[in-house]
Amino acid sequence: SQKIEQNSEALNIQEGKTATLTCNYTNYSPAYLQWYRQDPGRGPVFLLLIRENEKEKRKERLKVTFDTTLKQSLFHITASQPADSATYLCALDRPLTGTASKLTFGTGTRLQVTL
Amino acid sequence: EPEVTQTPSHQVTQMGQEVILRCVPISNHLYFYWYRQILGQKVEFLVSFYNNEISEKSEIFDDQFSVERPDGSNFTLKIRSTKLEDSAMYFCASTAVRGDSPLHFGNGTRLTVT
Repeated sequence: SQKIEQNSEALNIQEGKTATLTCNYTNYSPAYLQWYRQDPGRGPVFLLLIRENEKEKRKERLKVTFDTTLKQSLFHITASQPADSATYLCALDRPLTGTASKLTFGTGTRLQVTL
Repeated sequence: EPEVTQTPSHQVTQMGQEVILRCVPISNHLYFYWYRQILGQKVEFLVSFYNNEISEKSEIFDDQFSVERPDGSNFTLKIRSTKLEDSAMYFCASTAVRGDSPLHFGNGTRLTVT
């Protein structure tokens, strides 16, 4: 089965700096990889999706890269703000088999942005 | 923006009791899911549902669990006889298509089994 490791349980950075979160997976390469944000006591909120044939995706201050050779995705938040403090989850779906999606989530990285 | 709504937000029940967790997915979505998250652990897949039947279920989703879409808008998860280890956050999610489409999650029901 797919295993996902996210680089650290917690990451503390100063406001204005770039936060970089890592997601490594074993086993098969997924058709696509997703990043979600989760605040305490809330459900995951979708941020970005990157497909296996894409190297990089951007959305405002967010950037995701996907390296299927290294089996790794990097998630960057530039010009970070205290409001970015949350847990960030990496999630992989299996290749396009089966009727419906079946996401496997990492344990998440808790980001704390301080003034 | 349309959202997935879940009720109740918190449910406390005694071991052995039945609980029903309710979800209203986004109206034009076709695929429905339940995930759970035990405190401090990762979000885990429980079951997917499409075309009025279960598409897939995990090993966690044993005979004590069932899902239903009774009326075309609600999607429910029933646990027949709750155990202490069923205590977790239960998230409902939906998506419009299969494939590279993100899941839209509700804010969950916190189930506490005493």
